[in-house]
Amino acid sequence: AQSVTQPDIHITVSEGASLELRCNYSYGATPYLFWYVQSPGQGLQLLLKYFSGDTLVQGIKGFEAEFKRSQSSFNLRKPSVHWSDAAEYFCAVGALTSGTYKYIFGTGTRLKVLA
Amino acid sequence: SAVISQKPSRDICQRGTSLTIQCQVDSQVTMMFWYRQQPGQSLTLIATANQGSEATYESGFVIDKFPISRPNLTFSTLTVSNMSPEDSSIYLCSVDPTEYGYTFGSGTRLTVV
Repeated sequence: AQSVTQPDIHITVSEGASLELRCNYSYGATPYLFWYVQSPGQGLQLLLKYFSGDTLVQGIKGFEAEFKRSQSSFNLRKPSVHWSDAAEYFCAVGALTSGTYKYIFGTGTRLKVLA
Repeated sequence: SAVISQKPSRDICQRGTSLTIQCQVDSQVTMMFWYRQQPGQSLTLIATANQGSEATYESGFVIDKFPISRPNLTFSTLTVSNMSPEDSSIYLCSVDPTEYGYTFGSGTRLTVV
């Protein structure tokens, strides 16, 4: 069965520090991979996605993610975190199940940024 | 990407009552999806709705509790029936991400008292 694991429930970093959020997936084929951000009381915003090609993907707000097939991972990174990045981050896999395309979401990582 | 509008954006409802959530898309789409996000939790797919056919429900979700309508290619409704406090969640709709973009509606924040 398909699954997505985000091992870190909470992460705290200082403003200006680098950030890496981990995501591991289980899927029988090459997945479509996504990172979403959700600010408090807000909807989901797509940060970036990977379908194929270059395994290093650039997204909005200075985020990037790297697909590593051998590790079944799609970790999100940012070289310098801003206070406005404090939010919940969700990794998701696009999975074809019974002919229907669906998202499977990880449990999320809540990011806190210290001034 | 498709633009998805949901309403109401939030509601507070009495237990035992029902609430219908509307989802409007600015494009004609084949499939629409309904998700639930319980407090502090991730998103869970409730069902997939195709126009002209019955919705397909995920394990743990049943039509009597979450009836879905899909009258045309741009609109769907999700009803949360006979509500209890455990139904307090954010409900979101989305479309087939491979065809219409990777966006969700802004969500309906439901509180059941």
